[in-house]
Amino acid sequence: AQTVTQSQPEMSVQEAETVTLSCTYDTSESDYYLFWYKQPPSRQMILVIRQEAYKQQNATENRFSVNFQKAAKSFSLKISDSQLGDAAMYFCAYTVGGNTPLVFGKGTRLSVIA
Amino acid sequence: GAVVSQHPSRVICKSGTSVKIECRSLDFQATTMFWYRQFPKQSLMLMATSNEGSKATYEQGVEKDKFLINHASLTLSTLTVTSAHPEDSSFYICSASVDRRNQPQHFGDGTRLSIL
Repeated sequence: AQTVTQSQPEMSVQEAETVTLSCTYDTSESDYYLFWYKQPPSRQMILVIRQEAYKQQNATENRFSVNFQKAAKSFSLKISDSQLGDAAMYFCAYTVGGNTPLVFGKGTRLSVIA
Repeated sequence: GAVVSQHPSRVICKSGTSVKIECRSLDFQATTMFWYRQFPKQSLMLMATSNEGSKATYEQGVEKDKFLINHASLTLSTLTVTSAHPEDSSFYICSASVDRRNQPQHFGDGTRLSIL
């Protein structure tokens, strides 16, 4: 079974600094999709960034980028120029796509210090 | 972008009441919808996978008679918590997907259920 592991229950970062959230996963599939979701106190699930396993290039969305290491099954999220609004729970998730469910990690709570 | 509407956002009701939660895809047809449950300070746990026109597939440990799922159309899935008790209090969230590998799931805003 696929599993997703987030080893950092909590992280903090100073405003304007950079922080990296870790995620590892286990799968026997060669083609799959990885995601980072942000869940603020409102509990909405907001898609931050996604990566397709067959793409070697790391995904980037403005201040958010990933370091995807397929062989190591690692998928970390880097947030640059951290802002107060980045404070939230961040979940790493995996799926083989289409009509298959997401498998979530346990989450990392990110605090941003002014 | 794709929008999923989940209703109601908050429910408070007495023990023994049945509660229905709706999940609608507003601008796309969702071949599959998923129902997740989230306890405070925990991750999302998959309860069931719902495909239009067929019976839902429940995860191990989820009581299908307690959590009734209906996916009658390509835009609507419902979750009914039957005879709810305080231990059913939780945050329930749905997501919808189209049957294309490279398309992400789209989440509703969730329903906070409190059983007194």
